[in-house]
Amino acid sequence: DAMVIQNPRYQVTQFGKPVTLSCSQTLNHNVMYWYQQKSSQAPKLLFHYYDKDFNNEADTPDNFQSRRPNTSFCFLDIRSPGLGDAAMYLCATSRGSRWGQGDTQYFGPGTRLTVL
Amino acid sequence: AQSVAQPEDQVNVAEGNPLTVKCTYSVSGNPYLFWYVQYPNRGLQFLLKYITGDNLVKGSYGFEAEFNKSQTSFHLKKPSALVSDSALYFCAVRRAVMNRDDKIIFGKGTRLHILP
Repeated sequence: DAMVIQNPRYQVTQFGKPVTLSCSQTLNHNVMYWYQQKSSQAPKLLFHYYDKDFNNEADTPDNFQSRRPNTSFCFLDIRSPGLGDAAMYLCATSRGSRWGQGDTQYFGPGTRLTVL
Repeated sequence: AQSVAQPEDQVNVAEGNPLTVKCTYSVSGNPYLFWYVQYPNRGLQFLLKYITGDNLVKGSYGFEAEFNKSQTSFHLKKPSALVSDSALYFCAVRRAVMNRDDKIIFGKGTRLHILP
C-alpha cells in the first residue's frame, strides 16, 4: 500500500545531541511537510518542500533543518535539541498538482522525540 | 489572515447517539476545508474535505460534514457514534487561491469521548 513512513517511531536523545528523523513516501507526491505537535495541540508547520524548493516558516528556529535528497525521502535534523523540542514530529505529503490548494495531506505515524 | 476555530475542547456523546464536532473558519475568498482524526500516538488520518460542489460531504468511517458559507462553518457529524470514534479531531482550512505558498491552518482540536 502507498504510504508515508517515519522512522524511528520513538527517539530518545540527550540535551544538545544532534538527532535526525526520517520520512519516506511511496505516494510519489511532490510536496513533503514537517510538523511539530506538542501535547495534543494543533500541528505546527516547520517547513515544507515543493519538489526541491525548500520553504521555511518564519518562526521555525534555526535549530531545525531539513534535507530532501530525492522525491521519496525527507529528513528533519535538530542540531542541538533542547528540552522544549520534545514533541511528536509528523511528516506529511501532498500531490502538489498545479497549486494544489485542495490537495489532501497524508500523514505518517509520527516520531515521538524525548530529550533527556 | 485565515483561521479556524473549534470552540469545544471536549465533546462527550453516548454510544449510538448522533455526534457533532463544531468548526468555524475565517478566510478571504473561498475556503478549502478538511477534517482529520488522530488516535493516540498516531499521525493524522484524513476523514473528508470540501473543495466545491455539494455542501454535504461524506467521508470515511460514516462521517460527514456540511459546509455552510453564510455561517462560515464546517461541522463534522455522524448519525450513530461508536466507542471506536473516541479520538482527537482537527478541522483545517486553506485559501482557494493560486498561491502554492499558502498553507493549511489547523484548529486546536476537539477531543471526542464516546461513552459505552
